Amino acid sequence: EAGVTQSPTHLIKTRGQQATLRCSPISGHTSVYWYQQALGLGLQFLLWYDEGEERNRGNFPPRFSGRQFPNYSSELNVNALELEDSALYLCASSFRTSGVRETQYFGPGTRLTVL
Amino acid sequence: KQEVTQIPAALSVPEGENLVLNCSFTDSAIYNLQWFRQDPGKGLTSLLLIQSSQREQTSGRLNASLDKSSGRSTLYIAASQPGDSATYLCAVHAMNYGGSQGNLIFGKGTKLSVKP
Repeated sequence: EAGVTQSPTHLIKTRGQQATLRCSPISGHTSVYWYQQALGLGLQFLLWYDEGEERNRGNFPPRFSGRQFPNYSSELNVNALELEDSALYLCASSFRTSGVRETQYFGPGTRLTVL
Repeated sequence: KQEVTQIPAALSVPEGENLVLNCSFTDSAIYNLQWFRQDPGKGLTSLLLIQSSQREQTSGRLNASLDKSSGRSTLYIAASQPGDSATYLCAVHAMNYGGSQGNLIFGKGTKLSVKP
């Protein structure tokens, strides 16, 4: 069974540009989560999409946005890039259940570097 | 505010040793706790998930325990091997901090090095 996949592996942008990161969940998973892992800050929750809707977002500015497509894949967009946006961006997926949260399975990440 | 702390930040042991990694959380109202492994520059691999109603989970040489009332979890690794070298992260789905809405709150991890 294929795991969570992310593309691209690496992305280099300059300040002010926009970045688009992509994620494909495990087959059968309807929930996709995005996390940011910046050096020294640990993993921070960014966004949760389920059934095509944004269900929750972490403490990040509106220039971090995304969407989920009918096939449950997802896109994270970061507008007006700043140097501090440089980080490893991790996508995870899970089954969506009512009640207790299921295990989140993570992809390999996209390393975004802002110059 | 729910905070997750992992001690020690780094640990170096000789091959074959049994070891314990610690995780503590400040708010005991959690849905579950999850242990992950992260290799350098890579994504996370889920190791064990403990529901709030459970006390422990085992997978191979790994055993994780949960004491919700004291806000603690431990990950026990038996007979450590050089291939176990990685950063180990614990995370909680906290009831009062978006846990029902997908938000996993992570500790900063313990970097384990197992010397041959």
